[in-house]
Amino acid sequence: GAGVSQSPSNKVTEKGKDVELRCDPISGHTALYWYRQSLGQGLEFLIYFQGNSAPDKSGLPSDRFSAERTGGSVSTLTIQRTQQEDSAVYLCASSLGAQGRTEAFFGQGTRLTVV
Amino acid sequence: DAKTTQPNSMESNEEEPVHLPCNHSTISGTDYIHWYRQLPSQGPEYVIHGLTSNVNNRMASLAIAEDRKSSTLILHRATLRDAAVYYCILRTYSGAGSYQLTFGKGTKLSVIP
Repeated sequence: GAGVSQSPSNKVTEKGKDVELRCDPISGHTALYWYRQSLGQGLEFLIYFQGNSAPDKSGLPSDRFSAERTGGSVSTLTIQRTQQEDSAVYLCASSLGAQGRTEAFFGQGTRLTVV
Repeated sequence: DAKTTQPNSMESNEEEPVHLPCNHSTISGTDYIHWYRQLPSQGPEYVIHGLTSNVNNRMASLAIAEDRKSSTLILHRATLRDAAVYYCILRTYSGAGSYQLTFGKGTKLSVIP
């Protein structure tokens, strides 16, 4: 009965390097969401997956950000050529479906620090 | 986009009820009202949701105005562990059979011992 798992929990990277953040959703959950939370701020929506497709990528801040999901399960968020303003906690959530009545379950997040 | 308005912060004494208000005057008929909370250094956790009728669960109650333009999350007896940021969210239809889950700034609840 594992919840949403994210790895790594912490990542420190040098400016300009690429990073990959992983999300393992709850088994059977078809909907998967990525959010970003800067220090002291609310959650900023990045991208939403239904199965392996991403009908809503509207929140990705630039073309340095991309995400994929394979097998309707694990998702990877990739940030290329990281910048200091990318430093934040990246949160993943999954839900059984994407209907209005379904609740989302969140992981503990990956804290990314770009130095 | 449908949006919500919440007070930035609220205080409550321990073991007293807390009423957290939320305005959502542009809500549409298909939007669900969700509440999540985020404890320090943790991911958000689901609290409760509703569409038109009031809802109760083990964590809280949700009172929805008759016109659905506002709602109130009720914690019946605040404990120190309830200190968190509470987010009122509209789960809005965004096409392709999916509902967005868009967070606002939330209300930071402080519980005084």
